[in-house]
Amino acid sequence: EAEVAQSPRYKITEKSQAVAFWCDPISGHATLYWYRQILGQGPELLVQFQDESVVDDSQLPKDRFSAERLKGVDSTLKIQPAELGDSAMYLCASSLGTSVNEQFFGPGTRLTVL
Amino acid sequence: AQSVSQHNHHVILSEAASLELGCNYSYGGTVNLFWYVQYPGQHLQLLLKYFSGDPLVKGIKGFEAEFIKSKFSFNLRKPSVQWSDTAEYFCAVNKNYGGATNKLIFGTGTLLAVQP
Repeated sequence: EAEVAQSPRYKITEKSQAVAFWCDPISGHATLYWYRQILGQGPELLVQFQDESVVDDSQLPKDRFSAERLKGVDSTLKIQPAELGDSAMYLCASSLGTSVNEQFFGPGTRLTVL
Repeated sequence: AQSVSQHNHHVILSEAASLELGCNYSYGGTVNLFWYVQYPGQHLQLLLKYFSGDPLVKGIKGFEAEFIKSKFSFNLRKPSVQWSDTAEYFCAVNKNYGGATNKLIFGTGTLLAVQP
């Protein structure tokens, strides 16, 4: 069964350092999402891509976060510099298209900022 | 503020007990509703969804949910839980504002522990 792949699964970094997370969506899925899940809360959308274009990044803290999906397939989410409050689970999801479709989630990257 | 509310944060049940988890949303108009589940050590997966039609929807593993538009609710139910249902359950709403967004708004989740 096709799955969304993410790496690394765990990342520990010190504040002010740069971190990057990678996501490979299910083959053929045009839409890719990055969510952040803080402990005790539900996932919150950071950015949504349709192919290589950003269609929603309204909740992305653009002073320190960036996301790209250069070839419209895999994607990278970067934080620079990391802050203590960035400690969370970062989830990637994909769906066939932008109309209402089931989103398939990856295992996530657990980030701890010391 | 528009939101999705799950009032039960922690639920502890014995096996064979019945389950009902509440979910309320505050968005008007047409919405699409989902329940996702996260088993220990696993990723989020879809349990069931409602787009239109019969307001009583059936999902995997014997779960069902009822959409009550007048109450802005989409409660999850299971008549008899098993130990393997121990997991965190998330209600989510998709409110299409037009354009290309397919944004899911999640509730805070309900942690269910089923005692054998």
